[in-house]
Amino acid sequence: GAVVSQHPSWVICKSGTSVKIECRSLDFQATTMFWYRQFPKQSLMLMATSNEGSKATYEQGVEKDKFLINHASLTLSTLTVTSAHPEDSSFYICSAYLGQTNNPLHFGNGTRLTVT
Amino acid sequence: GQQVMQIPQYQHVQEGEDFTTYCNSSTTLSNIQWYKQRPGGHPVFLIQLVKSGEVKKQKRLTFQFGEAKKNSSLHITATQTTDVGTYFCAGRDNAGKSTFGDGTTLTVKP
Repeated sequence: GAVVSQHPSWVICKSGTSVKIECRSLDFQATTMFWYRQFPKQSLMLMATSNEGSKATYEQGVEKDKFLINHASLTLSTLTVTSAHPEDSSFYICSAYLGQTNNPLHFGNGTRLTVT
Repeated sequence: GQQVMQIPQYQHVQEGEDFTTYCNSSTTLSNIQWYKQRPGGHPVFLIQLVKSGEVKKQKRLTFQFGEAKKNSSLHITATQTTDVGTYFCAGRDNAGKSTFGDGTTLTVKP
């Protein structure tokens, strides 16, 4: 089955630094990937849709200059949290669907970001 | 924008009791998916419903999609301790974007 790999699994960084999270589709090509954020005991909130070869589409309220998304190939999307602050601490999860938009989402294992 | 409401937020049951969680979308959906997330883990796909009125079963789990394709339910018969976790529905619109419900966290007392 389709596998989505996300790295790192967890990261601790100091306030003001930037963190890059990678999301790879291991056995399929993903023209579209989705980045979600999940705070403790809350639902998954879509942050942005990452499109291969073009600009990401951000959801309302998500700062595109703070959460930089790059989807340079059909198997890799990256999310960079720039100038991280403690309120950015969260669980970030990427996902992709194999083939058609009607297909289920396959999730990466997630990245737990803690900003001190 | 599309909103997906899910109830209840929490459900505590005795092992062997049944469990149901419900989802309602503000708009008609292309399809709906159900996921299970264990504490500290990532959502794992359970099933997808596409057709109006569709019913699917996976062992003790029964999934339904409403006739209007705006609501769905997940029912677990005779819960077991292995069923614990948070169950999310996710409504997919025609543009391919999925909106997740708030989730229902199930705890099972042995």
